[in-house]
Amino acid sequence: ETGVTQTPRHLVMGMTNKKSLKCEQHLGHNAMYWYKQSAKKPLELMFVYNFKEQTENNSVPSRFSPECPNSSHLFLHLHTLQPEDSALYLCASSTQAGGPYEQYFGPGTRLTVT
Amino acid sequence: KNEVEQSPQNLTAQEGEFITINCSYSVGISALHWLQQHPGGGIVSLFMLSSGKKKHGRLIATINIQEKHSSLHITASHPRDSAVYICAAHSNSGYALNFGKGTSLLVTP
Repeated sequence: ETGVTQTPRHLVMGMTNKKSLKCEQHLGHNAMYWYKQSAKKPLELMFVYNFKEQTENNSVPSRFSPECPNSSHLFLHLHTLQPEDSALYLCASSTQAGGPYEQYFGPGTRLTVT
Repeated sequence: KNEVEQSPQNLTAQEGEFITINCSYSVGISALHWLQQHPGGGIVSLFMLSSGKKKHGRLIATINIQEKHSSLHITASHPRDSAVYICAAHSNSGYALNFGKGTSLLVTP
């Protein structure tokens, strides 16, 4: 048990749908991250939240919209996605951001855009 | 951006063999992480190190800061070690980890 949960684990959505991914951490951490893992590519950082404030947006298209209502919860709102957005989306948390802190990953959401 | 290269990309070993996975990076870092990803996607952090060597069970990680190189060793490999091993470099500034593409390891009985 990593202490980081993600729902749903699998999601299939059409290009016109709106859906949300949810991440929750039970570790008392103050930083949370969204990563994208596409087939045959390295993990890519999407967003970083530190003490509920967004500190990094790695040039992510606006069809991905993050929300961090508190230090334990992180959402990724999806709308009008493209087929190339199909990937594994991973959430992680750490004590805080901005330094070499160990990151704890959730199991991921496998997203397929049709 | 820190370029992180791993080798080999794919590795097949027989149970019991000693395994080494290499990672090199291009700019100075504050720490280097080794991660393990099993089929299905979940990622587990194995090590975070900024100097020297760390050991956990049959796993050993080393780093040479001057040479910008790290290795992950698995002694007495077992089929349950089959996974993708990912190296990630934490830069001296900023929030991001830069990830290698991973090494896919298959240990056969």
